[in-house]
Amino acid sequence: DAGITQSPRHKVTETGTPVTLRCHQTENHRYMYWYRQDPGHGLRLIHYSYGVKDTDKGEVSDGYSVSRSKTEDFLLTLESATSSQTSVYFCAISGGDGGYGYTFGSGTRLTVV
Amino acid sequence: AQRVTQPEKLLSVFKGAPVELKCNYSYSGSPELFWYVQYSRQRLQLLLRHISRESIKGFTADLNKGETSFHLKKPFAQEEDSAMYYCALSGSGNQFYFGTGTSLTVIP
Repeated sequence: DAGITQSPRHKVTETGTPVTLRCHQTENHRYMYWYRQDPGHGLRLIHYSYGVKDTDKGEVSDGYSVSRSKTEDFLLTLESATSSQTSVYFCAISGGDGGYGYTFGSGTRLTVV
Repeated sequence: AQRVTQPEKLLSVFKGAPVELKCNYSYSGSPELFWYVQYSRQRLQLLLRHISRESIKGFTADLNKGETSFHLKKPFAQEEDSAMYYCALSGSGNQFYFGTGTSLTVIP
């Protein structure tokens, strides 16, 4: 297995509700990332983490927050879900050497109705 | 600023024909470039990285610094190559920048 799992795999939620997506890794990698994938936009970075409690914003961070209280878990929270946040969310991990690329999770398909 | 451009959203080729997926980049330093592939509703998988100069599933990609390109090529397309392909650049801060992707369809 790739050593990275996302939960849930699918979720339907109502506008205005908070939603939390979880990314769990067993590789002990330092870097973790949240991307969203949308047609015509490719993958866009939401937030990333470079260590426990160390996070930073990506390109499309508005409306999202993250937390990383331990190495293996990186949580993405939609504070008040909107229809524009309907997307597929991918988590990725990296050991820190950019030359080896990322390993991606299987994705979470989120629908906000 | 770092940027990756994939000019073709959709690309169709016949089985057995050569295929080339274009990728251009802008980066002020020495880039590290990658191709990722995503089969239908699956996770993204690393296909190639330029520093290893390897060939995976018959695909190759050469970094051309003069043209700032990293095009993905395969001499004879197969039906199982149908997928979404993303070009990516590894920049500062261990961040990756992705292109918008090219959806390849190989026609039997």
